[in-house]
Amino acid sequence: KAGVTQTPRYLIKTRGQQVTLSCSPISGHRSVSWYQQTPGQGLQFLFEYFSETQRNKGNFPGRFSGRQFSNSRSEMNVSTLELGDSALYLCASSSSDRNTEAFFGQGTRLTVV
Amino acid sequence: QKEVEQNSGPLSVPEGAIASLNCTYSDRGSQSFFWYRQYSGKSPELIMFIYSNGDKEDGRFTAQLNKASQYVSLLIRDSQPSDSATYLCAVYRPGRRALTFGSGTRLQVQP
Repeated sequence: KAGVTQTPRYLIKTRGQQVTLSCSPISGHRSVSWYQQTPGQGLQFLFEYFSETQRNKGNFPGRFSGRQFSNSRSEMNVSTLELGDSALYLCASSSSDRNTEAFFGQGTRLTVV
Repeated sequence: QKEVEQNSGPLSVPEGAIASLNCTYSDRGSQSFFWYRQYSGKSPELIMFIYSNGDKEDGRFTAQLNKASQYVSLLIRDSQPSDSATYLCAVYRPGRRALTFGSGTRLQVQP
């Protein structure tokens, strides 16, 4: 069974640009969550999707958005990039609507210069 | 007070010893508890989960949960140098639909 796939693995963007990250969950998993990991703040929750609906959002500015498609694949978008957005962005999928036993993808390392 | 607290370490143990990692949480509504292992430069890997008070064993790993004390721990028996990593404690509260992570404990197993 394939794991969670995130693309791209690495990105370098310039301040002010926007970026789209993609996540394909484990087959059959309908819940997808996104997290940001930085050395200073650790792992912080961005948002969670289940059956194409955003059910919860973390404490991030509106520049961070996401969506989920009917095949459970998810994308997150960050507009007007800032230097502080440099981080490892992680996607996690779980099979139930209770977000238990979440499995992470390899992450996308975003560097904003 | 952070929602999930862990000692950042490093926790250094000799090869073959028992490593004991601890985590406390503040939200009594937390229902599910997870331990993730993260190697440097890699993503977190789920190694244990526990939902009920008591112990849960899986190979060399034992997770312990005490909801009254709001305390979760992870024991690693016969520690190996390959166990050297950062261990993240995470809790899940229904309704929030998100994991809340501690800052992680760095474990070093000395050969």
